Amino acid sequence: AQKITQTQPGMFVQEKEAVTLDCTYDTSDPSYGLFWYKQPSSGEMIFLIYQGSYDQQNATEGRYSLNFQKARKSANLVISASQLGDSAMYFCAMREGRDNYGQNFVFGPGTRLSVLP
Amino acid sequence: EAQVTQNPRYLITVTGKKLTVTCSQNMNHEYMSWYRQDPGLGLRQIYYSMNVEVTDKGDVPEGYKVSRKEKRNFPLILESPSPNQTSLYFCASSLFSVRGGTNNEQFFGPGTRLTVL
Repeated sequence: AQKITQTQPGMFVQEKEAVTLDCTYDTSDPSYGLFWYKQPSSGEMIFLIYQGSYDQQNATEGRYSLNFQKARKSANLVISASQLGDSAMYFCAMREGRDNYGQNFVFGPGTRLSVLP
Repeated sequence: EAQVTQNPRYLITVTGKKLTVTCSQNMNHEYMSWYRQDPGLGLRQIYYSMNVEVTDKGDVPEGYKVSRKEKRNFPLILESPSPNQTSLYFCASSLFSVRGGTNNEQFFGPGTRLTVL
């Protein structure tokens, strides 16, 4: 069964506007972490933001914030004030914790974001 | 500089010719992992290692071997490559907590693009 779902294969956003990239996950482990990575056309994987399952507040890192809705098992990435350099592939990933000591690290299929000038 | 290195970055080979992709990290991380990235599928874990001499299969281990004789190195071996192993390969490393730490982000190497003819 797919553990990470990203339903938007591609998204467009106008420069300077905010955009939300969707991510839903599936786990029965009470301890888990959620990550977002950015992959520009050059290919490297860049870590953006992390949210722990026990964190009370939504994570924020500069222009990135994570809209964490635990009951709905969603962890959407919000990028504020989009820039042309934000055009990239974005991956949501999950690391499950207690039951297997954090060894499972599962990625979604990704969302390709294009920022329009 | 803290980093994960992979070699080679690009490789074109023929079916059946054994090859090794090296991976090395200088962050003293316990956990190392190999992924392959294919369009529409995101990153899929091939093998991972929680420490020296401790390795285990990920989601797509068929056709691959790994070894972890030293903490810093985690080579990926294709004994008899086939065209369906044409892909972009990433090595990654992170800290590892036996108490199930989930906040340990993975640091990725630059990727190896492999083509098997």
